[in-house]
Amino acid sequence: EAGVAQSPRYKIIEKRQSVAFWCNPISGHATLYWYQQILGQGPKLLIQFQNNGVVDDSQLPKDRFSAERLKGVDSTLKIQPAKLEDSAVYLCASSLGTGGNTDTQYFGPGTRLTVL
Amino acid sequence: AQSVTQLGSHVSVSEGALVLLRCNYSSSVPPYLFWYVQYPNQGLQLLLKYTTGATLVKGINGFEAEFKKSETSFHLTKPSAHMSDAAEYFCAVSANTGFQKLVFGTGTRLLVSP
Repeated sequence: EAGVAQSPRYKIIEKRQSVAFWCNPISGHATLYWYQQILGQGPKLLIQFQNNGVVDDSQLPKDRFSAERLKGVDSTLKIQPAKLEDSAVYLCASSLGTGGNTDTQYFGPGTRLTVL
Repeated sequence: AQSVTQLGSHVSVSEGALVLLRCNYSSSVPPYLFWYVQYPNQGLQLLLKYTTGATLVKGINGFEAEFKKSETSFHLTKPSAHMSDAAEYFCAVSANTGFQKLVFGTGTRLLVSP
């Protein structure tokens, strides 16, 4: 079974530029998560989708970050404009979405963003 | 609200020695608790989780953890460390109601020397 796919794996941009990350979850997984992991910290949830609806985006900086999940499958996370403090690894995870909050989340390898 | 504290950003052990990684949680409702491992340049992988039932939870790769409500702890142990255990370990907590929302600790890097 294929895991969670993310691209690109690495991205370097200058501040005030825009960037987009792509995630393809495990087939059949209804729930999709985007996390931000700053160096030396644990992952922080940015947004959670159940199918193509947003369940939780309370920690998403909505003035610059946006995310969508078209047709309840793939998802993209966008930052516009980027700031230096956005340098981090962006992790995508998915889960079946049928086990409530006992589900296991499966993580992709992440996209490492460096903002210069 | 939930939070997790992992004591020790780095833990060093010798191969064959006991591994003990500490995790204390704070939760206003009964918690679900998780341990994840992250190898370099990879995503996180679930080691084990506590939801309900037996408080001693066994996971993959010989790891186990015990939920101690009185101590608000969920420490991770392994009797004998292998070189391949060297990685970053994250403890996480979620409320036992509603959608799963993991709150992670800052992580503990395990170093294993020959």
